[in-house]
Amino acid sequence: ETGVTQSPTHLIKTRGQQVTLRCSSQSGHNTVSWYQQALGQGPQFIFQYYREEENGRGNFPPRFSGLQFPNYSSELNVNALELDDSALYLCASSKTGNEKLFFGSGTQLSVL
Amino acid sequence: GENVEQHPSTLSVQEGDSAVIKCTYSDSASNYFPWYKQELGKGPQLIIDIRSNVGEKKDQRIAVTLNKTAKHFSLHITETQPEDSAVYFCAARAFGNEKLTFGTGTRLTIIP
Repeated sequence: ETGVTQSPTHLIKTRGQQVTLRCSSQSGHNTVSWYQQALGQGPQFIFQYYREEENGRGNFPPRFSGLQFPNYSSELNVNALELDDSALYLCASSKTGNEKLFFGSGTQLSVL
Repeated sequence: GENVEQHPSTLSVQEGDSAVIKCTYSDSASNYFPWYKQELGKGPQLIIDIRSNVGEKKDQRIAVTLNKTAKHFSLHITETQPEDSAVYFCAARAFGNEKLTFGTGTRLTIIP
């Protein structure tokens, strides 16, 4: 069984740029969630995707957007990067009807 | 919205001793409470979870207890080993809500 995989593992961008992060969900899972984890903090919910539609959103501005593809993989896009966007971005997948959430290793984004 | 508080922020215990981490939540509608272990450079790993219709759950050296009246839940690790050293996060979610709300984490260090 393949776990949740994310790419890239590390990324450095400058303020104002745009970034795309990618995630492949665990085999058999159809729901993908994205979380932002600042240094020394717990993960914060960004949004969730189910059936290729956004299915719930946390307190993040519209410049954070996402996609889910027919194979259940997902992308997180962040426009107009700000210094405070520097964080570990975590993707998690789950199966409909099952509360258990499984995380990938994350993408460490640094905005300079 | 839900607020989860976690204590202590750091915890050092002698190898072989027990460790206890405590969390409180604010939303009485929360009914699912997972615990995650995060090692350096990795994503959070689900180690145990409990639902609100159960007061206690045990898996080998790990146990979780839930007090719905007081809105708090705890993680107990017995016979601690060096590989238990990590950051532990509690989380809470209400039924039908896609968002997991995390605590701020506890850095557990096992002293050999």
